[in-house]
Amino acid sequence: GAVVSQHPSWVICKSGTSVKIECRSLDFQATTMFWYRQFPKQSLMLMATSNEGSKATYEQGVEKDKFLINHASLTLSTLTVTSAHPEDSSFYICSLPGGASNYGYTFGSGTRLTVV
Amino acid sequence: GENVEQHPSTLSVQEGDSAVIKCTYSDSASNYFPWYKQELGKRPQLIIDIRSNVGEKKDQRIAVTLNKTAKHFSLHITETQPEDSAVYFCAASKGSGGSYIPTFGRGTSLIVHP
Repeated sequence: GAVVSQHPSWVICKSGTSVKIECRSLDFQATTMFWYRQFPKQSLMLMATSNEGSKATYEQGVEKDKFLINHASLTLSTLTVTSAHPEDSSFYICSLPGGASNYGYTFGSGTRLTVV
Repeated sequence: GENVEQHPSTLSVQEGDSAVIKCTYSDSASNYFPWYKQELGKRPQLIIDIRSNVGEKKDQRIAVTLNKTAKHFSLHITETQPEDSAVYFCAASKGSGGSYIPTFGRGTSLIVHP
């Protein structure tokens, strides 16, 4: 399967500031990456699909101006939480398709965001 | 779109017992069903998966069954151990190549008591 690196693993920020989360594919070129959000004891909710070289596709209800996604290269996608508020505190996880011969998904290690 | 229901939300068993988690899906076009295990604060890890052309798949102590007609699939864990304690998510997806987009169930918190 794919090898995925996600940073930072945790971050604490003040309300009103912005936070950038990086997701890197280490062993293959990913034209598509996915960003999920997970609240405590809840399931993974797809936020958006990151497309290399084009605009991200956001799920219904996700504010595209608040959650900026950039996929400028085949190995890196970034999620920027802009003007963060306490309600944005959550666990954010990226994932990649497993690769041409693998139908599974590989997840990044996740980023615990706490907005104070 | 696809809707995946997962039950139970919490499952408590004694070490050595079997555990069964059940999921149903709504979209008959879904053809790939992975199961993920997520330990607290960690990433989900794929533990087993099944495609729609197979009815059952087994890997040591874990197995997955699929009933396409009824649109449900189940995870079976035998001889449970304390390290099996985690949250388990089922998912359903459709597509081809390497671009499956899964819809996840709400998760089952499995607790295995020593």
